[in-house]
Amino acid sequence: NAGVTQTPKFQVLKTGQSMTLQCAQDMNHEYMSWYRQDPGMGLRLIHYSVGAGITDQGEVPNGYNVSRSTTEDFPLRLLSAAPSQTSVYFCASSYFGQGVYEQYFGPGTRLTVT
Amino acid sequence: SQQGEEDPQALSIQEGENATMNCSYKTSINNLQWYRQNSGRGLVHLILIRSNEREKHSGRLRVTLDTSKKSSSLLITASRAADTASYFCATALNAGNMLTFGGGTRLMVKP
Repeated sequence: NAGVTQTPKFQVLKTGQSMTLQCAQDMNHEYMSWYRQDPGMGLRLIHYSVGAGITDQGEVPNGYNVSRSTTEDFPLRLLSAAPSQTSVYFCASSYFGQGVYEQYFGPGTRLTVT
Repeated sequence: SQQGEEDPQALSIQEGENATMNCSYKTSINNLQWYRQNSGRGLVHLILIRSNEREKHSGRLRVTLDTSKKSSSLLITASRAADTASYFCATALNAGNMLTFGGGTRLMVKP
């Protein structure tokens, strides 16, 4: 199994540009999520999904959109990039029972917005 | 504000010593998890403790949970230079769909 994969690994955007960060998992996990990690800080939840066709907002959803058309894929779209979105983005997945359990993380995408 | 807060923010010890990190949280939880992050990498799950458990072990790791004090501790025994990393606690709320992370403890183990 490849686990959780993310592309690209690095990206530089200009203010106002849009782009999609890709995330895929091959473990048939119901739960998928996107986090951002700013320097020296913990992770903040952007959006999550408990299954195909179901998405919801996390702590910091503004400026980001997600969709979940398949179990495997959970892309994150930046609508109009801003310097405040410079961060490292992590995608994670887990099985989902009566709550959120151990999450498997991708390697991250380092995004710089100039 | 973050649900989980780790203490200390940074810890430096010698190889062979034990390392203890603490996590406090604010509301009732379903479970509490500890993760490790090596520099520039993704997080790796270490251990999960449910709200009805008080202590769990995994190799050199020992986790305790005190729901009355809303706190948890992670003990790494006989530390190694390879344990150098950031350690994060994360809490899953009752009937909730989100996992909330604390700010982390940066552990340095000197050889």
